[in-house]
Amino acid sequence: DGGITQSPKYLFRKEGQNVTLSCEQNLNHDAMYWYRQDPGQGLRLIYYSQIVNDFQKGDIAEGYSVSREKKESFPLTVTSAQKNPTAFYLCASAQGPRTDTQYFGPGTRLTVL
Amino acid sequence: QQQVKQSPQSLIVQKGGISIINCAYENTAFDYFPWYQQFPGKGPALLIAIRPDVSEKKEGRFTISFNKSAKQFSLHIMDSQPGDSATYFCAASMKTSYDKVIFGPGTSLSVIP
Repeated sequence: DGGITQSPKYLFRKEGQNVTLSCEQNLNHDAMYWYRQDPGQGLRLIYYSQIVNDFQKGDIAEGYSVSREKKESFPLTVTSAQKNPTAFYLCASAQGPRTDTQYFGPGTRLTVL
Repeated sequence: QQQVKQSPQSLIVQKGGISIINCAYENTAFDYFPWYQQFPGKGPALLIAIRPDVSEKKEGRFTISFNKSAKQFSLHIMDSQPGDSATYFCAASMKTSYDKVIFGPGTSLSVIP
């Protein structure tokens, strides 16, 4: 059963803590993406990776970090430097960096207490 | 110039009616216009997409109308059903950088019996 998995579904964090969101795909896709979704604002790109061991900042990368050590995994760390981290985080993948269709995971809802 | 505007923000339609969501863009370099459907607590899923070389694309009850000169495109949902109740995002990207998908802010559609 191919697809993108994100875990956990819900995550609670205290202010000042770093937290890592997991994203795994078994679609053999080269490109992976992280988006943040806030009510009424659509999806905003945080980071993306076109190939293993390489990634680029998106529009709102400040306060976030990523790694891409394996093709199937693209974890996102929300650091304490992120001023307003409470949001719905979506991971996506695409067959290649020039492929127009992105496929999304089910998302992780992060709440900072 | 990178924005995609979307309206209305929310829409209520009776079962069997036509739902219409409109989007507009500025950047004429955009050449791929997908629509995504998102159910509460889930990730977006590609619904239908169009390229500027055609003025209309239909898949079942879903139709995209594209007006290149006006830089506008719209989603029509015919015979709307309660199961269509979801948030719909239009988006745009260009072949020189499909990594950068620009999403509209979304339209929350409610189809009432």
